[in-house]
Amino acid sequence: AQSVTQPDIHITVSEGASLELRCNYSYGATPYLFWYVQSPGQGLQLLLKYFSGDTLVQGIKGFEAEFKRSQSSFNLRKPSVHWSDAAEYFCAVGVYNQGGKLIFGQGTELSVKP
Amino acid sequence: EAGVTQFPSHSVIEKGQTVTLRCDPISGHDNLYWYRRVMGKEIKFLLHFVKESKQDESGMPNNRFLAERTGGTYSTLKVQPAELEDSGVYFCASSPNVGDTQYFGPGTRLTVL
Repeated sequence: AQSVTQPDIHITVSEGASLELRCNYSYGATPYLFWYVQSPGQGLQLLLKYFSGDTLVQGIKGFEAEFKRSQSSFNLRKPSVHWSDAAEYFCAVGVYNQGGKLIFGQGTELSVKP
Repeated sequence: EAGVTQFPSHSVIEKGQTVTLRCDPISGHDNLYWYRRVMGKEIKFLLHFVKESKQDESGMPNNRFLAERTGGTYSTLKVQPAELEDSGVYFCASSPNVGDTQYFGPGTRLTVL
């Protein structure tokens, strides 16, 4: 069965520090992978996605993620975190032989210290 | 272009009552999805419409939940009668085609007392 694991429930980083949020997936074929962000009071916003091709994917707001098939991972990174990045981040895999539904991880809440 | 909208943003009801949630997808998006996040858990798929047809309702918890998408435009999700465990945030998402990016609405927070 397909699944997504985000091992870190809550992470705190200092403003200006680098960030890496972990995501591991279980999927029987080539995965379609997504990172979404939810800021307080907002809906889910797509940060970036991987369908095929270059395994390093650039997204909005300075985020990037790298698909590593050998590690079944799709970790999200940002070189320098801003206070406005405080939010909850969700990794998801798209199941396209089942109508495209998304399987989400548990989410990682990011706090940013001044 | 307007995004996905959901109404209401919050709903507080008592156990045994009925609640109807509404989702308006982005115009022209044939695919509409409902998801739910119960507190402390991951966001889970409920069902998928293509136009007015239910393609996959494997995530619907039980027969107290009824989803419709008349005319292939907006969708409603009715919970009748509501139970305490139905509390959570209900998200709607839409996409033009299966495999395209899903755009999410802000969610409806449902509290059942």
